[in-house]
Amino acid sequence: ETGVTQSPTHLIKTRGQQVTLRCSSQSGHNTVSWYQQALGQGPQFIFQYYREEENGRGNFPPRFSGLQFPNYSSELNVNALELDDSALYLCASSSSSGGWYEQYFGPGTRLTVT
Amino acid sequence: AQRVTQPEKLLSVFKGAPVELKCNYSYSGSPELFWYVQYSRQRLQLLLRHISRESIKGFTADLNKGETSFHLKKPFAQEEDSAMYYCALSGRKTGGYQKVTFGTGTKLQVIP
Repeated sequence: ETGVTQSPTHLIKTRGQQVTLRCSSQSGHNTVSWYQQALGQGPQFIFQYYREEENGRGNFPPRFSGLQFPNYSSELNVNALELDDSALYLCASSSSSGGWYEQYFGPGTRLTVT
Repeated sequence: AQRVTQPEKLLSVFKGAPVELKCNYSYSGSPELFWYVQYSRQRLQLLLRHISRESIKGFTADLNKGETSFHLKKPFAQEEDSAMYYCALSGRKTGGYQKVTFGTGTKLQVIP
């Protein structure tokens, strides 16, 4: 069984640029959630993808968007980067079978916006 | 709206002393509560959830709906318990959507 992987590990971008972060979900998981974790804060929910569609979103602007592919891997895209977007971005995968699905987290991508 | 509050950023205890990490929540309904842990250089992982009512690594947590609390407890702290602990809440799922709200975390430091 393969765990959740994320790429890249670290990324430095300039304000105004666009970025794409990638996540491979754990084998057998069909749901992916993305979180933003600013320094000293807990993870904040960005959105969740299930069967290639966004089915829930937190308080993040539309410039945060995502995709989920048929193999359940996912991308997080952020346009028009701002300095406050600097954070650790976490991906978590889960399976929708059963009443509640435990989330398995990836190691994160550290994004720095200068 | 759902909110999770962890009032302590840092909790330092001596090895063998009891541990209590505080968590209070706000949610209009019946939430599911969890504790996640992040050890140094490791990824975030689920420690326990209130529905399971189980003890993991000696830790327990009881949901107190009257006080809207879900404190994490362990009678005797071990050095390997040193980590970052996050309390989290999941509201009712609608259409398969599960939003999890995390607290800001408490760093537990166990002093040898």
